[in-house]
Amino acid sequence: DAGITQSPRHKVTETGTPVTLRCHQTENHRYMYWYRQDPGHGLRLIHYSYGVKDTDKGEVSDGYSVSRSKTEDFLLTLESATSSQTSVYFCAISENGGLEGYTFGSGTRLTVV
Amino acid sequence: SQQGEEDPQALSIQEGENATMNCSYKTSINNLQWYRQNSGRGLVHLILIRSNEREKHSGRLRVTLDTSKKSSSLLITASRAADTASYFCATDGANSKLTFGKGITLSVRP
Repeated sequence: DAGITQSPRHKVTETGTPVTLRCHQTENHRYMYWYRQDPGHGLRLIHYSYGVKDTDKGEVSDGYSVSRSKTEDFLLTLESATSSQTSVYFCAISENGGLEGYTFGSGTRLTVV
Repeated sequence: SQQGEEDPQALSIQEGENATMNCSYKTSINNLQWYRQNSGRGLVHLILIRSNEREKHSGRLRVTLDTSKKSSSLLITASRAADTASYFCATDGANSKLTFGKGITLSVRP
C-alpha cells in the first residue's frame, strides 16, 4: 500500500528465537499501530505509538515489544517466539489517531515452528 | 476485546443485488468506520461516520448509524464480483485506538 511497507512479507522461524518485524512509512504520520489477525478473532491491537519513543500496550501485548526511534519506523519484536504467535501481522498508520481512517500495510505472515 | 460485532458472519449474494451488513457496539463512540479486506491483503478504509451523523454515502456505499441502538449498517448497492471480500467495522476508543470486529465474509456470485 502506498506510503507504508512491511518487511518481511513472510517468515518462518523456530520456537524460542527472537523475531523483529519492520513497518516503514513515508507519510510522516504521528500514529503507528501493530495488529495481529487470527481466524475467529479478527484484528487485535498489540502495541501502538503516538510519537517517537512514545508507545503503549494494546489488547494482546504479552510476549511482544516495540520501538520507535524515528517517525518513519515502528519495529515489533517477538522476544522468544512461540507457536501461539503464528499469525498475520499488520501495521497501520494515522495522522489523527482514531479520528480518521487508518492506512494498513500488506501484512507479514509469520509461522513459528 | 472486540468492541464491534458484525452480523451476519457470512453473506452470499448474486451480482447486482444489494448487500447489507450490520455492526453493533457496546460503548459510546466518536466515530465508526468500515474497512474492506481482499484475500491476502491489508485492510482498506471505506467510510467513516461520526457520532453526530445518521447517514453517509460514498459511491455505491451507504452507511447508517443509530447511536441509541449502538448499531451501524453498511449497504453496498448493485454488488459486483469485485466486492467479494471481508468487511470490518471499527470503533474509536480511548487513546486514539480503533477496535475492530471479527468481520463479515461477503461472496458475490457472478
